[in-house]
Amino acid sequence: GAVVSQHPSWVICKSGTSVKIECRSLDFQATTMFWYRQFPKQSLMLMATSNEGSKATYEQGVEKDKFLINHASLTLSTLTVTSAHPEDSSFYICSAQGADTGELFFGEGSRLTVL
Amino acid sequence: DAKTTQPTSMDCAEGRAANLPCNHSTISGNEYVYWYRQIHSQGPQYIIHGLKNNETNEMASLIITEDRKSSTLILPHATLRDTAVYYCIVRSPHGGTASKLTFGTGTRLQVTL
Repeated sequence: GAVVSQHPSWVICKSGTSVKIECRSLDFQATTMFWYRQFPKQSLMLMATSNEGSKATYEQGVEKDKFLINHASLTLSTLTVTSAHPEDSSFYICSAQGADTGELFFGEGSRLTVL
Repeated sequence: DAKTTQPTSMDCAEGRAANLPCNHSTISGNEYVYWYRQIHSQGPQYIIHGLKNNETNEMASLIITEDRKSSTLILPHATLRDTAVYYCIVRSPHGGTASKLTFGTGTRLQVTL
């Protein structure tokens, strides 16, 4: 099956620093990628939708200046958490939509801990 | 908002069939029913999807009612490794932002010995 890879799988950073998470579709082209956040014992919450070559569409309540999303190619999207604070600690998950079939595949997730 | 309702949790004995129900009474004509599962601290895993006909693959079977307002995911022989949160989602696979997956609370399936 299609593979979506996220990196890093986990990261610990100091408060005030910025952290970049990469999401790659390894064997297919993804015109659209989605970024989710999941807090402990909660469901996945959609943060934003990114289409290759255009600005991301953010869900209500998600700060676009804090969560920078770049989708520069058909196989790579990045999420940068700027000036991270402890409340940003969460499990971040990306999904990529195949250009041909429209099917969605998920990455393994990236766990961010902000001290 | 999620368009589906599922029981919060279910138990199943290992080796028995696990039947997970889902209500999606407001599903529209071009929306499919998708099932994903999430094992602790991992990304969601695709299981199966269907439009109106019943579907079967190596992981599970999907039974969709004739009026498409509800469906059931069947794991024919549950194992301990099937313990996970199962999400039922309705989605149109094509259409940019309209094709996004909106997760509800899912059903936490606990498979026991």
